[in-house]
Amino acid sequence: ILNVEQSPQSLHVQEGDSTNFTCSFPSSNFYALHWYRWETAKSPEALFVMTLNGDEKKKGRISATLNTKEGYSYLYIKGSQPEDSATYLCAFSAGNMLTFGGGTRLMVKP
Amino acid sequence: EPEVTQTPSHQVTQMGQEVILRCVPISNHLYFYWYRQILGQKVEFLVSFYNNEISEKSEIFDDQFSVERPDGSNFTLKIRSTKLEDSAMYFCAGEGTSGRAQEQFFGPGTRLTVL
Repeated sequence: ILNVEQSPQSLHVQEGDSTNFTCSFPSSNFYALHWYRWETAKSPEALFVMTLNGDEKKKGRISATLNTKEGYSYLYIKGSQPEDSATYLCAFSAGNMLTFGGGTRLMVKP
Repeated sequence: EPEVTQTPSHQVTQMGQEVILRCVPISNHLYFYWYRQILGQKVEFLVSFYNNEISEKSEIFDDQFSVERPDGSNFTLKIRSTKLEDSAMYFCAGEGTSGRAQEQFFGPGTRLTVL
């Protein structure tokens, strides 16, 4: 059974704060690590698909890093805005299927 | 921008009844998936489907479950005789190309409530 864990489970920050959260995953049989942003009642939206150790990807104020040897990825949000409030999911892939972490629920207060 | 749609958004059924959850994936996608999330738990994989057959399935996907892509557009998940523990949010997803490091595009989910 693959174990993908995310921390923290939830996070409250003020608008303008920068924040980061962690995803840990098995370091063996790694193929890809996915990050999704999921707002209530909407489809989970893909942020990044990361495959290479040391990879760093960026989309606007959001970036992610990957360490496949130790089995972790960080997601960073710079200057959080209220519209960043969502659940952020990571998912590990050793094949086609995704194994998800429990998510980090981010709430950004104006 | 193309998107994955799912119907219905919410389905309430009695235990023992059959339900069919419907998904319309993005038209040029090749791989299709069903996932579910029981309230308070992680999103979990059910089944993947490629070239009109199941390519992988989890332990959850027992004989009560089946999938079909009958007309090249709809992708359905059928639960033959629902149980209380089938209550969950069911997500359909699609992936465009062969190769494993591609993003999966998710629908908004169907909330299934079994009474």
